[in-house]
Amino acid sequence: KNQVEQSPQSLIILEGKNCTLQCNYTVSPFSNLRWYKQDTGRGPVSLTIMTFSENTKSNGRYTATLDADTKQSSLHITASQLSDSASYICVVRSHSGGYQKVTFGTGTKLQVIP
Amino acid sequence: DTGVSQDPRHKITKRGQNVTFRCDPISEHNRLYWYRQTLGQGPEFLTYFQNEAQLEKSRLLSDRFSAERPKGSFSTLEIQRTEQGDSAMYLCASEWAGQSSYNEQFFGPGTRLTVL
Repeated sequence: KNQVEQSPQSLIILEGKNCTLQCNYTVSPFSNLRWYKQDTGRGPVSLTIMTFSENTKSNGRYTATLDADTKQSSLHITASQLSDSASYICVVRSHSGGYQKVTFGTGTKLQVIP
Repeated sequence: DTGVSQDPRHKITKRGQNVTFRCDPISEHNRLYWYRQTLGQGPEFLTYFQNEAQLEKSRLLSDRFSAERPKGSFSTLEIQRTEQGDSAMYLCASEWAGQSSYNEQFFGPGTRLTVL
């Protein structure tokens, strides 16, 4: 069964600090992994995407890593800002023979406090 | 605004009533998805369309739920005889389904349904 698990479930950090969010998946066959940011009451917005051959991708203060062998990904946020407070969702896509499936994690709720 | 739009943004209804939501995808996108999201959870897949064809439906989509995309553009999601358990955020997403490994779903703002 395709599954995406994220940890921690929630996290509170001080403004300016760094943090790392984790994502483990059992999706197969793997096509790509994407991290989304979802502000409260809004739809998710893509931050980064990685395919099988990519092991790191940056987008400003966000850096995602992927280990396709261990099926783990992380999202590192540097110098956090109050506006980083949101849920971060790991999404894994599989694609085989014209059939595709997108599996969402339950998200990590991040709160950045002054 | 050329993103995905959803209407209404909020809907409050009484149990047993029918509700219909609309999604307008990004115009050139051929694939459209519906998801349901409850508080503290990630989106759960409901159904998706490639052009006007509904290719997959989740077991979450009971017979009270129906979705259409009649002309391969906008889509509607109807819930009949609503129940309190239907209260959730209903998200729509669209994408251009090409051969690239970088297919990206673009999400709308969602419709928040409250069933009293």
